[in-house]
Amino acid sequence: AQSVTQLDSQVPVFEEAPVELRCNYSSSVSVYLFWYVQYPNQGLQLLLKYLSGSTLVKGINGFEAEFNKSQTSFHLRKPSVHISDTAEYFCAVSDLGGSQGNLIFGKGTKLSVKP
Amino acid sequence: SQTIHQWPATLVQPVGSPLSLECTVEGTSNPNLYWYRQAAGRGLQLLFYSIGIDQISSEVPQNLSASRPQDRQFILSSKKLLLSDSGFYLCAWSAVSTDTQYFGPGTRLTVL
Repeated sequence: AQSVTQLDSQVPVFEEAPVELRCNYSSSVSVYLFWYVQYPNQGLQLLLKYLSGSTLVKGINGFEAEFNKSQTSFHLRKPSVHISDTAEYFCAVSDLGGSQGNLIFGKGTKLSVKP
Repeated sequence: SQTIHQWPATLVQPVGSPLSLECTVEGTSNPNLYWYRQAAGRGLQLLFYSIGIDQISSEVPQNLSASRPQDRQFILSSKKLLLSDSGFYLCAWSAVSTDTQYFGPGTRLTVL
């Protein structure tokens, strides 16, 4: 069975500092990987996704993530965060060929950007 | 472009009352549809998914049910709400044979 582990439940960081949100997954098959962002009292918005090809994926709002198959990781990074990046971030995995496209989500990481 | 709507945005209901949450998708045909619940400290829990009209699968046993009366309409219901049904309910859609899900704005349900 697949699972997703987000190693940090909360990450405080100062504005303009770099940030890395960690995500590890376990799966016996090849996977698709996703990062979503959720602002307070809103739905989830897709930040980026890895389906195939280059292991470095660029998304919206200056975020990027790198797929590392050997370490089964898909960490999210941003070189310089803004106050507006304060939100909860979810990593998700889907196995290739899943006909219903089900996603398994991590428990989320709350990013708090302080001035 | 595709859009997804959820109604209502917030709801406060007494224990034992019925529930009906609605989700509609525009700009696509035959989408896969999903209901999730987000409770504090528990992440996102998939409740139901549907690959077509009257084709609904339940992921966890619970007090809730789902129906899909039209291709782009997905309804979450309960006959009698429990305190434990409180949470943030999210609807999502994906195109057939793809894995990228797109989420609605959510409904905040408080059961008192």
